[in-house]
Amino acid sequence: KNEVEQSPQNLTAQEGEFITINCSYSVGISALHWLQQHPGGGIVSLFMLSSGKKKHGRLIATINIQEKHSSLHITASHPRDSAVYICAVRGGGSNYKLTFGKGTLLTVNP
Amino acid sequence: GAVVSQHPSRVICKSGTSVKIECRSLDFQATTMFWYRQFPKQSLMLMATSNEGSKATYEQGVEKDKFLINHASLTLSTLTVTSAHPEDSSFYICSFGKGSSTDTQYFGPGTRLTVL
Repeated sequence: KNEVEQSPQNLTAQEGEFITINCSYSVGISALHWLQQHPGGGIVSLFMLSSGKKKHGRLIATINIQEKHSSLHITASHPRDSAVYICAVRGGGSNYKLTFGKGTLLTVNP
Repeated sequence: GAVVSQHPSRVICKSGTSVKIECRSLDFQATTMFWYRQFPKQSLMLMATSNEGSKATYEQGVEKDKFLINHASLTLSTLTVTSAHPEDSSFYICSFGKGSSTDTQYFGPGTRLTVL
């Protein structure tokens, strides 16, 4: 079983819809990252969070440490949001390694 | 956020040749460098971690003599794939970090390697 599980694996939405992508992990962590990977492959770090909630524009990320769960929300989705969204967790202590989920492919249709 | 560049973005080479990939941080001095590999439809997998001034630490299953990492400075790291084989064809991504577990990582745009 992968240490980081994302759901759904694939998600298709209509422009304007509210999107939620979920991430569950099974190990203790010091931080969780949400990353965006476009078809060309480049990766952009969207959020790094260790507690609570962060918001940037139309993107919102939340984390519940007790439940080992995080969600990424996109409000008023747009076709340009189409990408793979990846959840990655960093271990505790001096372990800086990231363990990645398999990603969620989001397609937003106009 | 910091800007990280990788060069080349795409390379095709013959089996048996060596390929060098450069990763530069343009506006950020990083004490820790990470190299990742991503096969089609797979997660990113960490290959190695290098801290400035010390040798790289390789993950289990990654051959250190095949994937040579040189953390030349706080803004430059290179990955050399020696004697490349078709199974080395993959997407290679670097990232920089400050080495603290509370700091984010800044990812490069990646290099797609195809070995014929």
